[in-house]
Amino acid sequence: DAKTTQPNSMESNEEEPVHLPCNHSTISGTDYIHWYRQLPSQGPEYVIHGLTSNVNNRMASLAIAEDRKSSTLILHRATLRDAAVYYCILSDNYGQNFVFGPGTRLSVLP
Amino acid sequence: EAGVTQFPSHSVIEKGQTVTLRCDPISGHDNLYWYRRVMGKEIKFLLHFVKESKQDESGMPNNRFLAERTGGTYSTLKVQPAELEDSGVYFCASSQVLGTGELFFGEGSRLTVL
Repeated sequence: DAKTTQPNSMESNEEEPVHLPCNHSTISGTDYIHWYRQLPSQGPEYVIHGLTSNVNNRMASLAIAEDRKSSTLILHRATLRDAAVYYCILSDNYGQNFVFGPGTRLSVLP
Repeated sequence: EAGVTQFPSHSVIEKGQTVTLRCDPISGHDNLYWYRRVMGKEIKFLLHFVKESKQDESGMPNNRFLAERTGGTYSTLKVQPAELEDSGVYFCASSQVLGTGELFFGEGSRLTVL
């Protein structure tokens, strides 16, 4: 699977939007972009995924660059509960044997 | 609907002993995965079951690890004999749809080998 690069950590204020970037310059045409997050002492939790078009769900939005070499996870209003490690993962259409990187540790300040 | 459940939540054993971790996936999920995070490292894929068959076991570290999924329902991961480097958190995940479907993770089983 292609590799992703994320900042080690980011900070946000509560109730403000957060933009979490992910670079994946070696993405292939069949790779989906998945985002998961891990809250303290819990297993990873699905956030969102996409292929080419921007995606929205109740948790977040995913903005995918036109060349697909980068994407941004957008939390529209950060809450304290959003403090977690966020993982950007590429996977082809067939498997869910994900390759987790170190992710981005998001801190949310009250 | 119950989520993925794992047992035990924490196990402390001596080096050389045996431990068996259990995972109950969400009912109806044919796909079951084991992942682990050892101390200071990233979460790593171990293996993938489709029903009772091992689809991909490329991440299993060595033959001290044995995973089974009897009847395509719950799964067990046995470590025998356990070594110090096996300490970490073992996550189980399940999904209904292969590929782009959502993967549901359990809270993990923490293994400490002394």
